[in-house]
Amino acid sequence: DTGVSQNPRHKITKRGQNVTFRCDPISEHNRLYWYRQTLGQGPEFLTYFQNEAQLEKSRLLSDRFSAERPKGSFSTLEIQRTEQGDSAMYLCASSPSFGGNTEAFFGQGTRLTVV
Amino acid sequence: QKEVEQNSGPLSVPEGAIASLNCTYSDRGSQSFFWYRQYSGKSPELIMSIYSNGDKEDGRFTAQLNKASQYVSLLIRDSQPSDSATYLCAVRGSSASKIIFGSGTRLSIRP
Repeated sequence: DTGVSQNPRHKITKRGQNVTFRCDPISEHNRLYWYRQTLGQGPEFLTYFQNEAQLEKSRLLSDRFSAERPKGSFSTLEIQRTEQGDSAMYLCASSPSFGGNTEAFFGQGTRLTVV
Repeated sequence: QKEVEQNSGPLSVPEGAIASLNCTYSDRGSQSFFWYRQYSGKSPELIMSIYSNGDKEDGRFTAQLNKASQYVSLLIRDSQPSDSATYLCAVRGSSASKIIFGSGTRLSIRP
């Protein structure tokens, strides 16, 4: 399968615990995006990378959220001291950054439930 | 003002008719425009991209872009019950910027 892969698919955690999600982009894509989506809303931008550089992080994102893409391949999103409001679908997408086609493709998402 | 705005719907269209979905955006420098379809509980699936003014057709789908009016639309011809989903409009500004999504329009195709 050469699509975007996210793990785990589901995560249930207790409030106050830390969680980490992984995203493996399409291999030739050098851009990688993280989004959060709650019921009835569109994907909300969290952060994005070009290769290993984190180019932008949402101003709405608290310091409890951090993302890395250490070798410009897979990425991890960590949430520290989770809160019930963090419950959402976390989506990863990747795209190329060159040429005329910069379409982004999504993984299947990680659904986080904080209890 | 939201960066990308869509009517949340629901939009109800009879089977076989044309469904018209609309989107406006605030960044006049935006260069790339996308339509995604999202079924309940699933992740967004790209169905159309458009980069220049005018129409772009792909099967039953036509995307329309008017940069002067900052307006993007998606037409679905011969609507089928399987088209019932939420349709997300997404916009990228300059070539190095993030992709911003609207809140989506729920489309329901009634038999």
